[in-house]
Amino acid sequence: GQNIDQPTEMTATEGAIVQINCTYQTSGFNGLFWYQQHAGEAPTFLSYNVLDGLEEKGRFSSFLSRSKGYSYLLLKELQMKDSASYLCAVREGDYKLSFGAGTTVTVRA
Amino acid sequence: IAGITQAPTSQILAAGRRMTLRCTQDMRHNAMYWYRQDLGLGLRLIHYSNTAGTTGKGEVPDGYSVSRANTDDFPLTLASAVPSQTSVYFCASSPDGTSGQETQYFGPGTRLLVL
Repeated sequence: GQNIDQPTEMTATEGAIVQINCTYQTSGFNGLFWYQQHAGEAPTFLSYNVLDGLEEKGRFSSFLSRSKGYSYLLLKELQMKDSASYLCAVREGDYKLSFGAGTTVTVRA
Repeated sequence: IAGITQAPTSQILAAGRRMTLRCTQDMRHNAMYWYRQDLGLGLRLIHYSNTAGTTGKGEVPDGYSVSRANTDDFPLTLASAVPSQTSVYFCASSPDGTSGQETQYFGPGTRLLVL
């Protein structure tokens, strides 16, 4: 099974940077995903990490340390449309995804 | 159709009633999944199917059943609904289900209220 922890809420100002941390404990590891979910909508894929290090995709970057069971999602140059929940999900050896409860990010003008 | 569709969009159901949530995808994905999402608990896997004709239990399967008669459809049935099954239900699919880096694509969700 999985134990995935991420903060419940974060608030930041438009144009700023926010870092969402995710820690996990797993008996097997096959990759870590970040999803974005706007209120009332379906989750959509943001990033995938399976090796240690940083993956950059435009304003969004994701980092993974497998030895520490730790990942973060970095959102740069925040825009109002980035207000959403961000879900950390870990894939175990059986290829099933386990999700954290999500972090709600509120971007203020 | 493009992607995954779910029906109904929302439903109010009396406790004890039977209900089937429908999910259809047109991407020819082998793997499909049903999740429920509750406040503070995140997405939890109910059932999954790695390919047509096979299904498996997820984290919270009790009270739910699924079938996978073909590649495109993956209905979820509540045999006798209870109030604790009030939730938002998401169907998802992925190309293979056994490849590490493939992502899952989610349908728009069904909001179910059991009274």
